[in-house]
Amino acid sequence: DQQVKQNSPSLSVQEGRISILNCDYTNSMFDYFLWYKKYPAEGPTFLISISSIKDKNEDGRFTVFLNKSAKHLSLHIVPSQPGDSAVYFCAASARGSSNTGKLIFGQGTTLQVKP
Amino acid sequence: DGGITQSPKYLFRKEGQNVTLSCEQNLNHDAMYWYRQDPGQGLRLIYYSQIVNDFQKGDIAEGYSVSREKKESFPLTVTSAQKNPTAFYLCASKEQGGWTQPQHFGDGTRLSIL
Repeated sequence: DQQVKQNSPSLSVQEGRISILNCDYTNSMFDYFLWYKKYPAEGPTFLISISSIKDKNEDGRFTVFLNKSAKHLSLHIVPSQPGDSAVYFCAASARGSSNTGKLIFGQGTTLQVKP
Repeated sequence: DGGITQSPKYLFRKEGQNVTLSCEQNLNHDAMYWYRQDPGQGLRLIYYSQIVNDFQKGDIAEGYSVSREKKESFPLTVTSAQKNPTAFYLCASKEQGGWTQPQHFGDGTRLSIL
């Protein structure tokens, strides 16, 4: 049972345009969400996160939006740059898991930003 | 330079053989994690440890074992009982203190069967 789903395996965007990566979840106990970015043959690196008490968090070119009623979050990258080409993972943590740090990951979306 | 070091980068296992993947961190983090990544799938948690000499099973612990004798080290053994060990293995660590401190990952070990 996939509790965190990234239904788009890949996304291609022109440099300078907006990239929107989507993530859906099923567990209403999730209260913290994170996005990680991964280059080939490297480990994921933390990008941005959002608590369920917020609906938006922004950090430079990256903004995460959370729609709790729809159990949906999205990552917006504006403007997209070729160096943003990577696999993006959405991850979620259930209420009470902050002390263990357990995360549930989505399948990932491969973003290609074309020059 | 603080970070997480996984070794080796590539590992080959013969049928029936146990192999151990190394994970060392110098970030002084209390918690450490092992994940497995398969093509087209997200990271799945194998084992985690919140403190020295203690560890817990994750979602797919069968066929794996771990130890946590030192704070900086969390080796993973893939035993012969793991029937489908070919995957990319990632180790992570995290400071205590909730989600203001996200997990940091090593660069992974790719394990293949000969």
